Parts: sequence; structure tokens; C-alpha cells
Amino acid sequence: QSALTQPASVSGSPGQSITISCTGTSSDVGSYNYVSWYQQHPGKAPKLIIYDVSNRPSGISNRFSGSKSGNTASLTISGLQAEDEADYYCSSYTSTSSPVVFGGGTKLTVL
Amino acid sequence: QLQLQESGPGLVKPSETLSLSCSVSGGSISTSSYYWSWIRQPPGKGLEWIGSIYSNGDTNYSPSLKSRVTISVDRSKNQFSLKVTSVTAADTAVYYCARAYRYGSGWKIGYFDPWGQGTLVTVSS
Repeated sequence: QSALTQPASVSGSPGQSITISCTGTSSDVGSYNYVSWYQQHPGKAPKLIIYDVSNRPSGISNRFSGSKSGNTASLTISGLQAEDEADYYCSSYTSTSSPVVFGGGTKLTVL
Repeated sequence: QLQLQESGPGLVKPSETLSLSCSVSGGSISTSSYYWSWIRQPPGKGLEWIGSIYSNGDTNYSPSLKSRVTISVDRSKNQFSLKVTSVTAADTAVYYCARAYRYGSGWKIGYFDPWGQGTLVTVSS
């Protein structure tokens, strides 16, 4: 069982917006702004798209945004495009025995 | 631009030791702002952090793998390595190396960027 909880799948039509949640605890998401999000296309390595809850690395589209409320972080993708179809993973620093935890991943389908 | 590249055998027999290396190019592994990390992904499953190493050789491992994992760094070659002993089929996965941002001290491991392309290691006789 993953330490961070994500929905297994989400879907949306081109042009729409979707949000993927990532629920942790007060030992990770709730207490630290060290949440990151990764996009992974089939057969490819994960790619960082959001770091420190809401920051985008250089070159990442502003259609991707991140936020956090309490123990839950969220990734929002606006103006969905076919190329956004991928798996998305959240990660957080945690003060427990392991300093890093990942979510189980969410498969985004663009209808 | 920093690039990471994994290398090592793609097939390991059960009970033997898995050994991988990660070569870092376009930057120094000795920088103070990062940890150098290994992450794996079993086929069809999610990501699992294996462990990380700082440039001075300090390491931190996943509790579930700690008894079988060793990560080391070779600053002269600008690379770091992973060893997993007594492997079973459950260790079959794509293994990624990645750079992790370091928030101050005390093993506050942040975001992973960039990642290597990954290498599939299959454990089978």
C-alpha cells in the first residue's frame, strides 16, 4: 500500500480541466511544502512537472498547476490535450522512517 | 544539461546480487545541493524509492530494503552505484537513477529531477 493516496484513474475530454488528488498525513503533505508531481508516458522515465507544491520547472506548460490544502495536494491540468494522457505520480518528503513517499499513481485518459 | 544514464546486467539469477551504475554527465556529483538516488518500478506498478546518497558518502535507505541494499559513490568517475543482494522475482523492475533536491540538512529529500532513462532488470533463472 502506497503512503500517499491517489485515485487510480481520471478522465476528461480535450479542452476540459481535471484535478488529481494526493492525500497524505500530517507527517508528510500536511506539514511540509515538499510535494512534487511527475508525468510518465508509457515506456518512459517520469518527468518532473510540479515541485514544492506549486512551482513549475522551466519548460513545463502553465496548463499544469499544483496546490495543497491540509493533508491533500492536488494537480490540476487545464485545457486537456491528447498528449497529457499519461500516468501521474505525487511524492512528498515525510518525517517518518523513510524520507520519501510516492503515491500509487493515477492514469489520466483523454477521451 | 545534467544527464544520468543507468548501466548494468538486464538479467540476474535468484539469490544473486543485482549491480547497477549511474553515470552523471553535464555536472558534478560532488555538488552540495543534491542527493543521488535510486528508484524502481515493477512492471505495471508504481514508483518505489530505494535509497539516496550524498556526495560525502552518507546514505539513507528504504526501511523495507535496507538489509539488502548498498549505494556507493565514485566521485572520480562522477557516478554512483546500487547493489541489491539476495534478489527474488519481486525485485524485477525498471530501475531509475535520479538527482534529488536537498532541502538543507537532515535528509530532507525533495523532488527528483532529472531521471535516467531507466533499465529493466529481470530476476529469473
